[in-house]
Amino acid sequence: NAGVTQTPKFRVLKTGQSMTLLCAQDMNHEYMYWYRQDPGMGLRLIHYSVGEGTTAKGEVPDGYNVSRLKKQNFLLGLESAAPSQTSVYFCASSDGYRGGEKLFFGSGTQLSVL
Amino acid sequence: AQSVAQPEDQVNVAEGNPLTVKCTYSVSGNPYLFWYVQYPNRGLQFLLKYITGDNLVKGSYGFDAEFNKSQTSFHLKKPSALVSDSALYFCAVRVRYSGAGSYQLTFGKGTKLSVIP
Repeated sequence: NAGVTQTPKFRVLKTGQSMTLLCAQDMNHEYMYWYRQDPGMGLRLIHYSVGEGTTAKGEVPDGYNVSRLKKQNFLLGLESAAPSQTSVYFCASSDGYRGGEKLFFGSGTQLSVL
Repeated sequence: AQSVAQPEDQVNVAEGNPLTVKCTYSVSGNPYLFWYVQYPNRGLQFLLKYITGDNLVKGSYGFDAEFNKSQTSFHLKKPSALVSDSALYFCAVRVRYSGAGSYQLTFGKGTKLSVIP
């Protein structure tokens, strides 16, 4: 059972380039999330989805777009990368909506924007 | 604002000694509280959660957490630390996102635990 899989694991971009991060889960979870982790700031929610075809903004959505075309996949896009988007990105999924269920995290994508 | 705070950036403890990682919260209503652990180069893993009931919550890997409503705290504890417990620990609280009608987790900044042999 793979759980939550993120690709790629590492990426270096130049300012202005675009890229897409892919998250896939095999647990049939309804909810999926994208977080970024920065030193001294913990995890901050970028966007999330409560089901196939739905997306919503989190705490820090600017500069990012997301899509949930299939239940098992949640894509995070950067249209024009900026150095401020250098971070470690984590995808997570859960099977509930009341916030009492635990999150399952991927192993992360380390992104550097030069 | 609804949030959690982890007042210590780093906690050092000798192997075999008891450990405590502190967390305080600020929410309206009854809190849903969580602890997660992150080992190097890995994603976060769920340790335990408090929703209601007994103030002492038992979790994975021998960890417990004590909910204290009067002090608005949810400290993580273990009676005897192991070197393998060295990791980054995050406290989290459920918050409601306005407009979406859904609940999400807000995480603290994390506490680095170092267990010294």
